[in-house]
Amino acid sequence: QVQLVESGGGVVQPGRSLRLSCAASGFIFNGYGFHWVRQAPGKGLEWVALIWSDGTVTYYADSVKGRFTISRDNSKNTLYLQMSSLRAEDTAVYYCARGYSGYAFTIDSWGQGTLVTVSS
Amino acid sequence: DIVMTQSPLSLPVTPGEPASISCRSSQSLLHSNGNNYLDWYLQKPGQSPQLLIYLGSNRASGVPDRFSGSGSGTDFTLEISRVEAEDVGLYYCMQNKQTPLTFGGGTEVEIK
Repeated sequence: QVQLVESGGGVVQPGRSLRLSCAASGFIFNGYGFHWVRQAPGKGLEWVALIWSDGTVTYYADSVKGRFTISRDNSKNTLYLQMSSLRAEDTAVYYCARGYSGYAFTIDSWGQGTLVTVSS
Repeated sequence: DIVMTQSPLSLPVTPGEPASISCRSSQSLLHSNGNNYLDWYLQKPGQSPQLLIYLGSNRASGVPDRFSGSGSGTDFTLEISRVEAEDVGLYYCMQNKQTPLTFGGGTEVEIK
């Protein structure tokens, strides 16, 4: 049973930083790439970042490039998203999501999400 | 970036009747290997999204066979052969031919 459990969301002031975590279980973590996808309140889905299974390659949306860093600790089966210089427009539910084994750019499993609110 | 456009925005459906959602991309999603890099996701009310279709026409594990995906290049369609009440929610297409991955704006399927 694939389980992805996000944590670390909350209310943060503009310009501050926050780190999200995603604990994975039920499968071999280091065999998969992972994504972060976000959804602003009442809005659609926005892809944020992707990391390769071995952590050597990362990709980012232009809206977060230079401010967010995706990383992983394969010894802890955990994915991270370090967010800095946060803006009001970063307010969203952030989903941790697993890349499909056959093609990592397809997302085959999603966590329940964690809400990040950027507000003074 | 590749822009994804879905239609309609809202789709009222009658249970047992078919339904169809269109997704168009600003660039071809057809690779030289023959794959179309287009996925479909369903977000049921209050839930996280779930994968329905990958590579344009492949049903994900556990997805009922009433769901089918078709199309190539820039024009794609998700069809539900006979809508059931549990199919309500927001449907998104997503291109994954290149980064940044981009989603369509979503189509809300509701029961009449």
